[in-house]
Amino acid sequence: QKEVEQNSGPLSVPEGAIASLNCTYSDRGSQSFFWYRQYSGKSPELIMSIYSNGDKEDGRFTAQLNKASQYVSLLIRDSQPSDSATYLCAVNKRGSTLGRLYFGRGTQLTVWP
Amino acid sequence: KAGVTQTPRYLIKTRGQQVTLSCSPISGHRSVSWYQQTPGQGLQFLFEYFSETQRNKGNFPGRFSGRQFSNSRSEMNVSTLELGDSALYLCASSLSTGDAGNTIYFGEGSWLTVV
Repeated sequence: QKEVEQNSGPLSVPEGAIASLNCTYSDRGSQSFFWYRQYSGKSPELIMSIYSNGDKEDGRFTAQLNKASQYVSLLIRDSQPSDSATYLCAVNKRGSTLGRLYFGRGTQLTVWP
Repeated sequence: KAGVTQTPRYLIKTRGQQVTLSCSPISGHRSVSWYQQTPGQGLQFLFEYFSETQRNKGNFPGRFSGRQFSNSRSEMNVSTLELGDSALYLCASSLSTGDAGNTIYFGEGSWLTVV
């Protein structure tokens, strides 16, 4: 079983729609969860971090964490073409150093006008 | 506030050569991590340094090494380059190496091509 798994893409949504990105992780004791956005040819850029169960909202982005189900998601409301990128879910496992993140393979999102 | 700075940004090396990549973390950040990103394997952790000490290491051969200096700047070295080492090498920094509440930020990366 992979440490972090993301829903396979690519995901394509029309402009203005809600994009839903999902991620599951294997280590039940994981404590820190991150979503990064990576444009083609660029480095990952942090979008959201979440540490507690529930929802965390930041502008058009909402991260949701359910530790019991070992599930974390990212919702993008009012999707824009500029949101087209690969979204990476990352998890920091229990007992590990912060810099040691486990990444999913990413979900490629395309928002069409 | 300047972000994580990596040099060089692009380089081409020949099989068998060695390469050194440099990383300057965000000011005040003391932890530096290195990752390799390839289309086939995704993002894979190489190692992490804090206060000049390696705190964590991924599953890479001994050809991959790193170090951190007293000013928190870090370098990684790959010796005896192989074609499969062609990748984007990413450096990330954080305030500390502890968990929850801290975040790591990536630099723009160094694109290495081995021919």
